[in-house]
Amino acid sequence: AQSVAQPEDQVNVAEGNPLTVKCTYSVSGNPYLFWYVQYPNRGLQFLLKYITGDNLVKGSYGFEAEFNKSQTSFHLKKPSALVSDSALYFCAVKNAGNMLTFGGGTRLMVKP
Amino acid sequence: EAGVAQSPRYKIIEKRQSVAFWCNPISGHATLYWYQQILGQGPKLLIQFQNNGVVDDSQLPKDRFSAERLKGVDSTLKIQPAKLEDSAVYLCASSRTETQYFGPGTRLLVL
Repeated sequence: AQSVAQPEDQVNVAEGNPLTVKCTYSVSGNPYLFWYVQYPNRGLQFLLKYITGDNLVKGSYGFEAEFNKSQTSFHLKKPSALVSDSALYFCAVKNAGNMLTFGGGTRLMVKP
Repeated sequence: EAGVAQSPRYKIIEKRQSVAFWCNPISGHATLYWYQQILGQGPKLLIQFQNNGVVDDSQLPKDRFSAERLKGVDSTLKIQPAKLEDSAVYLCASSRTETQYFGPGTRLLVL
């Protein structure tokens, strides 16, 4: 069975500092990996994905994520955090034939 | 391009009542998904449609939940009768390729 772990319930970072939100996964076959962001009372908004190719993928709003096959990780990063980045972030995984499985989410708090 | 539309946005019912949610996917998206998101958790897939056929409904509690997508476009998700533990946000998503795009969700409170 496939699974996703987001080990941190909350990440706190000061505005302007780099941020990292961690994600590790387990799936058979080649992984399809996704990051979504959820603002209060809103649905999930797609940020970026890794399907194949370059291990560093760039997405919306300056976010990027690095696929590490040996560590089965797909950490979300941003060089300089904004207060408006404060939200709930979800990592998700699937393989070619399966449904999408989400992690439990990490709340990012960016303080001025 | 219009996003995924859902209605209603909020619904409050008493246990044992029935409720229905509606979803209109992004135009041209053949695949439609319904998810349940309980507070503090990630979304959990309930059912996946490809056009008007069911691809995966293994996690749908079929004794009380039903869903349909009769013409391969709009979809409805129904709960009858509702239980207290059904209180959650119900998210609809659609996709043309591997990326799913989500609607704003319907927040259900069962009293």
